[in-house]
Amino acid sequence: EAGVAQSPRYKIIEKRQSVAFWCNPISGHATLYWYQQILGQGPKLLIQFQNNGVVDDSQLPKDRFSAERLKGVDSTLKIQPAKLEDSAVYLCASSLDSVAGEQFFGPGTRLTVL
Amino acid sequence: AQSVTQPDIHITVSEGASLELRCNYSYGATPYLFWYVQSPGQGLQLLLKYFSGDTLVQGIKGFEAEFKRSQSSFNLRKPSVHWSDAAEYFCAVGAWNQGGKLIFGQGTELSVKP
Repeated sequence: EAGVAQSPRYKIIEKRQSVAFWCNPISGHATLYWYQQILGQGPKLLIQFQNNGVVDDSQLPKDRFSAERLKGVDSTLKIQPAKLEDSAVYLCASSLDSVAGEQFFGPGTRLTVL
Repeated sequence: AQSVTQPDIHITVSEGASLELRCNYSYGATPYLFWYVQSPGQGLQLLLKYFSGDTLVQGIKGFEAEFKRSQSSFNLRKPSVHWSDAAEYFCAVGAWNQGGKLIFGQGTELSVKP
């Protein structure tokens, strides 16, 4: 069974530029999560999708971050414009369902904002 | 407010020695709990989980954890540590009425001395 795929693995941008991350969850997983993991901290949930609908985006900085999950499969997370404090690893995870389901994580995208 | 505390930021143990990583949580609802491990440059891998029932749970790689409701703790243990166990360990808590949302601790970095 293929795992959660993410790309790119690394990205370096200047502040005020835009960036996009892509995630392909495990086949058949209805729930998809995007987490932000700042160095030295645990992952923090940014947004949760159930199929192609948003379940929780309460911690997503909506003035600069956006995410979509078209057709209930792949997802993209965008930052525009980026700030220095956005430097982090962005993790995508998926689970079969949203009720106490084990979340399977991708390798993450390490973003550096200069 | 919901929170997860891992009091030890960094622990060093000798290979073959026993290990205990601490996790305390503060949660209003009945929780379920996970321990994940993260190796450098990798995503998070599930070690074990507790939903209900027997409070001592067994996981992969010889790890176990004990849920103690009275102490709001879910400590991770291993009787004999291997050099390959060196990694970052995260405790995570969810609740049945929170739709799959997890709150992570800040992590404990484990180093193993030969």
